[in-house]
Amino acid sequence: EPEVTQTPSHQVTQMGQEVILRCVPISNHLYFYWYRQILGQKVEFLVSFYNNEISEKSEIFDDQFSVERPDGSNFTLKIRSTKLEDSAMYFCASSGGQGGTQPQHFGDGTRLSIL
Amino acid sequence: AQKITQTQPGMFVQEKEAVTLDCTYDTSDPSYGLFWYKQPSSGEMIFLIYQGSYDQQNATEGRYSLNFQKARKSANLVISASQLGDSAMYFCAMSASINDYKLSFGAGTTVTVRA
Repeated sequence: EPEVTQTPSHQVTQMGQEVILRCVPISNHLYFYWYRQILGQKVEFLVSFYNNEISEKSEIFDDQFSVERPDGSNFTLKIRSTKLEDSAMYFCASSGGQGGTQPQHFGDGTRLSIL
Repeated sequence: AQKITQTQPGMFVQEKEAVTLDCTYDTSDPSYGLFWYKQPSSGEMIFLIYQGSYDQQNATEGRYSLNFQKARKSANLVISASQLGDSAMYFCAMSASINDYKLSFGAGTTVTVRA
């Protein structure tokens, strides 16, 4: 069964450094998402991406964050200058349809640790 | 604004018995989607089941069924014949299907299956 692939599984970065999280969505999906989950807390939406542009973003997704689909398969999340509070599990997801019409399938996540 | 409530922080269930996980939601949108995800201790998010707001019948997927009561705004997950591998955190999530892309998650319920 096709799946969403995320790399790396764990990233340790010094505060203030840039980090890029990578995702390969399911190949025939058109909608892509990033979520984060701070340890012990609920999953929070960051951003959605469709037709090569951001379709929706949350208050968390400020100017420090950016997303890109550099080619036909990869979908990346960049954090420009990391802060301690960026430490979390970051999930990429993709779906074949918009919002509540079809399920979003998640990758296994990247655990980001900021020192 | 959408809101998802899971009132049970943790539950214990005996192997081979059924367990019901509660989820209530609040939305003013007439068209929305409801989802359940499983998060084992390893951290990945696994899609379990989906219910559309206009679906006439309750969704079922193997041992998972969704008890959808639209008037009460509840979407409880029933896991039948519990197995040790069902021990995990379970999240209820919702997305409006029109003009909305994101999933809003509840706080989750931890299920522990006892042998």
